[in-house]
Amino acid sequence: SQTIHQWPATLVQPVGSPLSLECTVEGTSNPNLYWYRQAAGRGLQLLFYSVGIGQISSEVPQNLSASRPQDRQFILSSKKLLLSDSGFYLCACDTGVEQYFGPGTRLTVT
Amino acid sequence: SQQGEEDPQALSIQEGENATMNCSYKTSINNLQWYRQNSGRGLVHLILIRSNEREKHSGRLRVTLDTSKKSSSLLITASRAADTASYFCATARNSGNTPLVFGKGTRLSVIA
Repeated sequence: SQTIHQWPATLVQPVGSPLSLECTVEGTSNPNLYWYRQAAGRGLQLLFYSVGIGQISSEVPQNLSASRPQDRQFILSSKKLLLSDSGFYLCACDTGVEQYFGPGTRLTVT
Repeated sequence: SQQGEEDPQALSIQEGENATMNCSYKTSINNLQWYRQNSGRGLVHLILIRSNEREKHSGRLRVTLDTSKKSSSLLITASRAADTASYFCATARNSGNTPLVFGKGTRLSVIA
């Protein structure tokens, strides 16, 4: 079965600093990949999804971007973080139906 | 946009009792999925019910689906303290299977 790695587990960054969160997937090929953000005590907001290398669909047109340089690698980036970017970021993958999630990255923007 | 909405937002029960959570959605679906999230962790898939199914069981979990009412329920029988978590329903946004849209979840607390 799929295993999803995310790092770092926690991150504290000042406003205006850049961001790079990485997600890698093991145990499958050609997965659909997703980035979600979860505010404290809230549901999941879909940020980006990708059906293949270099193919990114954006759900949130703000200061975040995503890239998929390799089949099983998904990167979430920002050039300048905002306070509102704080949250719990989850990477997920699927090969059609059910999704598998990584352990998440807790981002605090100060 | 929100597809699934869970109800209640929070639920607190005693160990051994049953817990029922409900989910409503807006559009036609191929299937509906339930996920569990322990605090500070990723989500874990629990069960999937297809649009042509009305009820499905998995261990202590029972899921029902009423497509005429666009609603589903998750029943956890004989709850345990380890069942304490948030539970989310998810449906595909479009007529396919992905991407999934998640509700805001029900926070279940099982008190020993």
